Amino acid sequence: ILNVEQSPQSLHVQEGDSTNFTCSFPSSNFYALHWYRWETAKSPEALFVMTLNGDEKKKGRISATLNTKEGYSYLYIKGSQPEDSATYLCAFMEGTYKYIFGTGTRLKVLA
Amino acid sequence: EADIYQTPRYLVIGTGKKITLECSQTMGHDKMYWYQQDPGMELHLIHYSYGVNSTEKGDLSSESTVSRIRTEHFPLTLESARPSHTSQYLCASSALDRLDGYTFGSGTRLTVV
Repeated sequence: ILNVEQSPQSLHVQEGDSTNFTCSFPSSNFYALHWYRWETAKSPEALFVMTLNGDEKKKGRISATLNTKEGYSYLYIKGSQPEDSATYLCAFMEGTYKYIFGTGTRLKVLA
Repeated sequence: EADIYQTPRYLVIGTGKKITLECSQTMGHDKMYWYQQDPGMELHLIHYSYGVNSTEKGDLSSESTVSRIRTEHFPLTLESARPSHTSQYLCASSALDRLDGYTFGSGTRLTVV
């Protein structure tokens, strides 16, 4: 059974704070890792596609890093804003067959 | 602008009724999926399809059935709805290699009373 774990499960931060959370995945047979943002009452939207060890991706104030050897990816949000409030999901591709979603990190940014 | 459409958005229905949740995509994606979302936000795969006339059951056992007669259309049917079917159902699609990730519909929140 493949486990894709995200931590923390939820967190509250103040507006302006920077924050980060983790996605842990099996380090064998890595193919790709995706990050999604899922706002309440909307559908998940893809944020980043990460395929190579050492990958760093950035979109505005949000960035992500990837370590395939040790099996983790970090998502960073710099200067959190209330509109960043969402659930952040990672999804791990093992080979080209298995696609496993993590349990998500629920972020609430307080104004 | 959505490229994958789910209807209805909300549905409240009585026990024993037959229902069909619709899902259509305009991206020409070969792969389509149905997920059931539990209250903890975890997504559980219940059905998937790799192309026309191809359907498979997912990791979570479900009493629903699906069909894929056209590339763009992947409806999910419950022959006899029960309160245990109350959940959020999300449809998604992807290219064959899935490298760009999934595109999700807006979901159908089903309540069976």
